[in-house]
Amino acid sequence: GQQVMQIPQYQHVQEGEDFTTYCNSSTTLSNIQWYKQRPGGHPVFLIQLVKSGEVKKQKRLTFQFGEAKKNSSLHITATQTTDVGTYFCAALSGNTPLVFGKGTRLSVIA
Amino acid sequence: DTEVTQTPKHLVMGMTNKKSLKCEQHMGHRAMYWYKQKAKKPPELMFVYSYEKLSINESVPSRFSPECPNSSLLNLHLHALQPEDSALYLCASSRYSATNEKLFFGSGTQLSVL
Repeated sequence: GQQVMQIPQYQHVQEGEDFTTYCNSSTTLSNIQWYKQRPGGHPVFLIQLVKSGEVKKQKRLTFQFGEAKKNSSLHITATQTTDVGTYFCAALSGNTPLVFGKGTRLSVIA
Repeated sequence: DTEVTQTPKHLVMGMTNKKSLKCEQHMGHRAMYWYKQKAKKPPELMFVYSYEKLSINESVPSRFSPECPNSSLLNLHLHALQPEDSALYLCASSRYSATNEKLFFGSGTQLSVL
């Protein structure tokens, strides 16, 4: 079935440093969603990307969808302690149910 | 109201017990989902209900029995669970079960099976 590989698994950054997580698929994706799960919390929807080469920004967060619609990235500029959590990509291909990547756990050292 | 409410928040049960997890949303969403999430793992889809009918069962063991009494409610009945079933059980909803709909998750039920 559809699988998405997400890297890195963990990322420790100093507050103020940038952070990027990547999501890759061997097949073309219909669209991709990103979720954030705080420690002890539940996944919260951040964004959905649909178009090839799409770039969307939310304050310090920048989301990209690759030209071939096989990869995506989430970049956080100048991380803050409030950014701590696990970031999941969730990919869709055709009519298959949403498949979550394994997530990237971000810790921010103040 | 943009919330998905799950009860109970925590549940401890023995392997011979029968219990139920409940989920409620009042956003008018027509698709509801059960996910299972083990510690440090991504959510894994268990069931999807679309317009109150079961549309997807991801080969879940029969000791898990979902029920959708109406468009706002989703239950998960548990019977004869195993310790390895201990996990966070997340309910989610979306406007429709179309694959481009964002999911709204509840805060989950942390289940421990002894």
